[in-house]
Amino acid sequence: AQSVTQLDSQVPVFEEAPVELRCNYSSSVSVYLFWYVQYPNQGLQLLLKYLSGSTLVESINGFEAEFNKSQTSFHLRKPSVHISDTAEYFCAVSYSGGYQKVTFGIGTKLQVIP
Amino acid sequence: DVKVTQSSRYLVKRTGEKVFLECVQDMDHENMFWYRQDPGLGLRLIYFSYDVKMKEKGDIPEGYSVSREKKERFSLILESASTNQTSMYLCASSPIVGDRAGSPLHFGNGTRLTVT
Repeated sequence: AQSVTQLDSQVPVFEEAPVELRCNYSSSVSVYLFWYVQYPNQGLQLLLKYLSGSTLVESINGFEAEFNKSQTSFHLRKPSVHISDTAEYFCAVSYSGGYQKVTFGIGTKLQVIP
Repeated sequence: DVKVTQSSRYLVKRTGEKVFLECVQDMDHENMFWYRQDPGLGLRLIYFSYDVKMKEKGDIPEGYSVSREKKERFSLILESASTNQTSMYLCASSPIVGDRAGSPLHFGNGTRLTVT
Protein backbone atom coordinates (compact mmCIF):
# COMPACT_ATOMS: atom_id res chain seq x y z
CA ALA A 1 0.00 0.00 0.00
CA GLN A 2 1.16 3.47 -0.77
CA SER A 3 2.19 5.62 2.18
CA VAL A 4 3.58 9.04 2.98
CA THR A 5 5.61 9.99 6.03
CA GLN A 6 5.94 13.57 7.19
CA LEU A 7 8.63 13.50 9.81
CA ASP A 8 7.75 16.69 11.68
CA SER A 9 4.31 17.49 13.04
CA GLN A 10 5.25 21.08 13.91
CA VAL A 11 8.04 23.35 12.70
CA PRO A 12 8.56 26.76 14.34
CA VAL A 13 10.80 29.15 12.41
CA PHE A 14 11.63 32.84 12.65
CA GLU A 15 10.49 35.18 9.92
CA GLU A 16 12.96 35.51 7.03
CA ALA A 17 14.73 32.28 8.05
CA PRO A 18 14.89 29.27 5.71
CA VAL A 19 12.69 26.24 6.28
CA GLU A 20 12.58 22.62 5.16
CA LEU A 21 9.51 20.40 5.61
CA ARG A 22 10.37 16.74 5.16
CA CYS A 23 8.40 14.10 3.28
CA ASN A 24 9.19 10.49 2.42
CA TYR A 25 7.00 8.13 0.40
CA SER A 26 6.86 4.40 -0.22
CA SER A 27 8.62 3.47 -3.39
CA SER A 28 6.92 2.69 -6.66
CA VAL A 29 7.81 2.50 -10.32
CA SER A 30 5.87 5.60 -11.30
CA VAL A 31 4.74 8.17 -8.79
CA TYR A 32 3.17 11.61 -8.63
CA LEU A 33 3.98 13.81 -5.67
CA PHE A 34 2.19 16.88 -4.38
CA TRP A 35 2.42 19.46 -1.65
CA TYR A 36 -0.81 21.06 -0.47
CA VAL A 37 -1.22 23.96 1.95
CA GLN A 38 -4.12 24.57 4.32
CA TYR A 39 -4.61 28.02 5.80
CA PRO A 40 -6.75 28.31 8.95
CA ASN A 41 -10.43 27.54 8.40
CA GLN A 42 -9.95 26.70 4.76
CA GLY A 43 -9.70 23.64 2.56
CA LEU A 44 -6.44 22.45 1.03
CA GLN A 45 -4.86 24.23 -1.93
CA LEU A 46 -2.29 22.82 -4.31
CA LEU A 47 1.15 24.31 -3.66
CA LEU A 48 3.17 22.35 -6.19
CA LYS A 49 3.35 18.98 -7.89
CA TYR A 50 5.97 16.68 -9.33
CA LEU A 51 5.00 14.66 -12.36
CA SER A 52 8.22 13.80 -14.18
CA GLY A 53 11.35 15.33 -15.63
CA SER A 54 13.35 17.86 -13.61
CA THR A 55 13.88 16.91 -9.98
CA LEU A 56 13.33 20.45 -8.72
CA VAL A 57 9.79 21.78 -8.69
CA GLU A 58 8.91 25.39 -7.97
CA SER A 59 5.72 27.10 -6.94
CA ILE A 60 4.63 30.67 -7.55
CA ASN A 61 5.14 31.83 -3.95
CA GLY A 62 8.79 30.94 -3.42
CA PHE A 63 8.52 27.35 -2.26
CA GLU A 64 10.41 24.59 -4.02
CA ALA A 65 10.57 20.83 -3.61
CA GLU A 66 13.24 18.41 -4.66
CA PHE A 67 12.37 14.91 -5.82
CA ASN A 68 14.97 12.35 -4.77
CA LYS A 69 14.20 8.92 -6.15
CA SER A 70 17.01 7.08 -4.37
CA GLN A 71 15.94 8.42 -0.98
CA THR A 72 12.22 8.36 -1.86
CA SER A 73 11.92 11.90 -0.56
CA PHE A 74 10.15 15.07 -1.67
CA HIS A 75 11.16 17.74 0.84
CA LEU A 76 9.65 21.23 0.66
CA ARG A 77 11.91 24.24 1.10
CA LYS A 78 11.73 28.01 1.19
CA PRO A 79 14.82 30.20 1.58
CA SER A 80 13.03 32.97 3.51
CA VAL A 81 9.62 32.56 5.15
CA HIS A 82 7.00 35.20 5.78
CA ILE A 83 4.33 35.46 8.46
CA SER A 84 1.74 34.67 5.81
CA ASP A 85 3.33 31.23 5.29
CA THR A 86 1.95 30.10 8.65
CA ALA A 87 -0.25 27.16 7.70
CA GLU A 88 -0.38 23.37 7.67
CA TYR A 89 1.42 21.64 4.83
CA PHE A 90 0.53 18.21 3.50
CA CYS A 91 2.61 15.94 1.32
CA ALA A 92 0.66 13.56 -0.91
CA VAL A 93 1.37 10.72 -3.34
CA SER A 94 -0.54 9.14 -6.17
CA TYR A 95 0.58 6.14 -8.16
CA SER A 96 0.31 5.89 -11.92
CA GLY A 97 -2.30 3.62 -13.42
CA GLY A 98 -5.75 2.68 -12.27
CA TYR A 99 -8.07 5.02 -10.46
CA GLN A 100 -6.80 8.17 -8.83
CA LYS A 101 -6.19 7.44 -5.17
CA VAL A 102 -4.24 10.13 -3.36
CA THR A 103 -2.65 9.31 0.00
CA PHE A 104 -1.77 12.15 2.33
CA GLY A 105 0.76 12.51 5.11
CA ILE A 106 -0.31 13.62 8.58
CA GLY A 107 0.65 17.22 7.90
CA THR A 108 3.28 19.63 9.22
CA LYS A 109 2.24 22.83 10.95
CA LEU A 110 4.57 25.65 10.03
CA GLN A 111 4.57 28.46 12.59
CA VAL A 112 6.43 31.56 11.51
CA ILE A 113 7.55 33.63 14.48
CA PRO A 114 7.87 37.40 14.03
CA ASP B 1 -11.39 28.89 -10.95
CA VAL B 2 -12.77 25.58 -9.86
CA LYS B 3 -15.28 25.87 -7.09
CA VAL B 4 -16.08 23.01 -4.76
CA THR B 5 -18.92 23.89 -2.43
CA GLN B 6 -19.82 22.00 0.71
CA SER B 7 -23.32 22.80 1.86
CA SER B 8 -22.59 23.23 5.58
CA ARG B 9 -19.61 24.73 7.34
CA TYR B 10 -20.61 23.46 10.78
CA LEU B 11 -23.01 20.69 11.67
CA VAL B 12 -24.10 19.27 15.03
CA LYS B 13 -25.98 15.97 15.10
CA ARG B 14 -27.05 13.46 17.71
CA THR B 15 -25.85 9.89 17.99
CA GLY B 16 -27.90 7.57 15.79
CA GLU B 17 -29.09 10.25 13.38
CA LYS B 18 -28.73 9.82 9.64
CA VAL B 19 -26.49 12.59 8.33
CA PHE B 20 -26.06 13.88 4.79
CA LEU B 21 -23.05 15.92 3.74
CA GLU B 22 -23.40 17.50 0.32
CA CYS B 23 -20.71 18.57 -2.12
CA VAL B 24 -21.09 20.28 -5.50
CA GLN B 25 -18.39 21.15 -8.02
CA ASP B 26 -18.84 23.45 -10.98
CA MET B 27 -16.07 22.36 -13.36
CA ASP B 28 -17.44 19.16 -14.83
CA HIS B 29 -14.80 17.04 -13.09
CA GLU B 30 -15.12 13.28 -13.42
CA ASN B 31 -13.53 12.35 -10.08
CA MET B 32 -14.88 13.26 -6.67
CA PHE B 33 -13.62 12.33 -3.22
CA TRP B 34 -14.56 12.42 0.44
CA TYR B 35 -11.83 12.67 3.08
CA ARG B 36 -11.97 13.11 6.80
CA GLN B 37 -9.29 15.15 8.56
CA ASP B 38 -8.29 14.50 12.17
CA PRO B 39 -5.39 15.98 14.15
CA GLY B 40 -2.35 13.74 14.02
CA LEU B 41 -3.90 11.52 11.35
CA GLY B 42 -3.91 13.81 8.34
CA LEU B 43 -6.46 13.19 5.61
CA ARG B 44 -7.93 9.73 5.19
CA LEU B 45 -9.90 8.72 2.13
CA ILE B 46 -13.45 7.51 2.83
CA TYR B 47 -14.91 7.02 -0.65
CA PHE B 48 -14.31 8.25 -4.15
CA SER B 49 -16.20 8.24 -7.41
CA TYR B 50 -14.87 8.33 -10.96
CA ASP B 51 -18.22 8.59 -12.72
CA VAL B 52 -21.92 9.05 -12.13
CA LYS B 53 -23.37 6.18 -10.11
CA MET B 54 -19.90 4.70 -9.64
CA LYS B 55 -18.13 4.53 -6.29
CA GLU B 56 -15.07 2.96 -4.78
CA LYS B 57 -14.16 2.41 -1.14
CA GLY B 58 -11.26 4.31 0.23
CA ASP B 59 -9.23 3.44 3.30
CA ILE B 60 -11.92 3.97 5.96
CA PRO B 61 -15.37 3.35 4.45
CA GLU B 62 -16.95 1.68 7.50
CA GLY B 63 -19.99 3.54 8.77
CA TYR B 64 -20.30 5.65 5.61
CA SER B 65 -21.96 5.41 2.23
CA VAL B 66 -22.02 7.75 -0.76
CA SER B 67 -24.30 8.75 -3.60
CA ARG B 68 -23.48 10.25 -6.97
CA GLU B 69 -26.64 10.67 -9.03
CA LYS B 70 -25.34 13.66 -10.98
CA LYS B 71 -21.83 14.42 -12.16
CA GLU B 72 -21.51 17.63 -10.17
CA ARG B 73 -22.83 16.32 -6.85
CA PHE B 74 -21.30 13.81 -4.44
CA SER B 75 -23.01 13.09 -1.14
CA LEU B 76 -21.57 11.44 1.95
CA ILE B 77 -24.02 9.64 4.18
CA LEU B 78 -23.54 8.61 7.78
CA GLU B 79 -26.20 5.93 8.21
CA SER B 80 -26.20 6.13 12.02
CA ALA B 81 -23.90 8.81 13.34
CA SER B 82 -21.56 7.96 16.20
CA THR B 83 -19.32 10.13 18.35
CA ASN B 84 -16.19 8.73 16.71
CA GLN B 85 -17.36 10.27 13.45
CA THR B 86 -16.88 13.75 14.87
CA SER B 87 -14.39 15.22 12.44
CA MET B 88 -13.67 17.67 9.63
CA TYR B 89 -14.96 16.32 6.33
CA LEU B 90 -13.38 17.53 3.10
CA CYS B 91 -14.75 17.04 -0.39
CA ALA B 92 -12.51 17.24 -3.44
CA SER B 93 -12.76 16.88 -7.20
CA SER B 94 -10.34 16.41 -10.08
CA PRO B 95 -10.48 16.12 -13.86
CA ILE B 96 -9.23 13.24 -15.94
CA VAL B 97 -6.19 14.61 -17.77
CA GLY B 98 -3.96 11.98 -19.28
CA ASP B 99 -2.91 9.69 -16.46
CA ARG B 100 -5.61 10.57 -13.94
CA ALA B 101 -3.25 9.92 -11.05
CA GLY B 102 -1.41 13.14 -11.90
CA SER B 103 -4.42 15.46 -11.63
CA PRO B 104 -4.36 17.76 -8.62
CA LEU B 105 -7.32 17.78 -6.26
CA HIS B 106 -9.54 20.82 -5.75
CA PHE B 107 -10.94 20.99 -2.24
CA GLY B 108 -13.98 22.54 -0.62
CA ASN B 109 -13.63 24.44 2.66
CA GLY B 110 -14.80 21.50 4.73
CA THR B 111 -17.68 20.62 7.02
CA ARG B 112 -16.93 20.35 10.70
CA LEU B 113 -19.29 17.71 12.05
CA THR B 114 -19.86 17.22 15.75
CA VAL B 115 -21.81 14.17 16.91
CA THR B 116 -23.07 14.37 20.49
